[in-house]
Amino acid sequence: GAGVSQSPRYKVAKRGQDVALRCDPISGHVSLFWYQQALGQGPEFLTYFQNEAQLDKSGLPSDRFFAERPEGSVSTLKIQRTQQEDSAVYLCASSLGGRLEETQYFGPGTRLLVL
Amino acid sequence: AQTVTQSQPEMSVQEAETVTLSCTYDTSENNYYLFWYKQPPSRQMILVIRQEAYKQQNATENRFSVNFQKAAKSFSLKISDSQLGDTAMYFCAFMKLYNNDMRFGAGTRLTVKP
Repeated sequence: GAGVSQSPRYKVAKRGQDVALRCDPISGHVSLFWYQQALGQGPEFLTYFQNEAQLDKSGLPSDRFFAERPEGSVSTLKIQRTQQEDSAVYLCASSLGGRLEETQYFGPGTRLLVL
Repeated sequence: AQTVTQSQPEMSVQEAETVTLSCTYDTSENNYYLFWYKQPPSRQMILVIRQEAYKQQNATENRFSVNFQKAAKSFSLKISDSQLGDTAMYFCAFMKLYNNDMRFGAGTRLTVKP
């Protein structure tokens, strides 16, 4: 595809609801990253996939956060029982190969607001 | 743990002028990567420039160049001939070798004025 796409672009959830955020990486990109960006802050790493394998999930803030990439392309970040502190922009990025220093291409993000 | 500090929350520059954005970082590593990312109001972050710590030569990409001072752990971005399209948030980022955890600073909001 032309770039990394994410959907929805905006999501409003009531506290306690479950949400699912989708990322479509650039076609053929092996690596996929999720970041959380709080208002006025830089992105913070959440998790990393190489193809379908989740190689690092050390940045996930709690067990309410879950990510998957079952076929090595599209990825979904799921947040269960959302809390107000989960309000943030969730960014997805992909890179071509498995070398971690390769350029990451970012999507536009999903802005999540938990009321 | 690696930390990245951007001490200028906001900056402005006149069109066609030059501006320098500051970034310092803290690490005990000898080899690593440094990046500057630009995030325009549409929020799609794009890579501006990158530097490998083992390279002494400062990276340059057209109007963008860096001043990498390894001993001082400083990595500033210079934008020459500023253009209105340069208006954006700029993030400095650090990545250790063989590590997928890229650490970002809090960002500097740059406004280019006509």
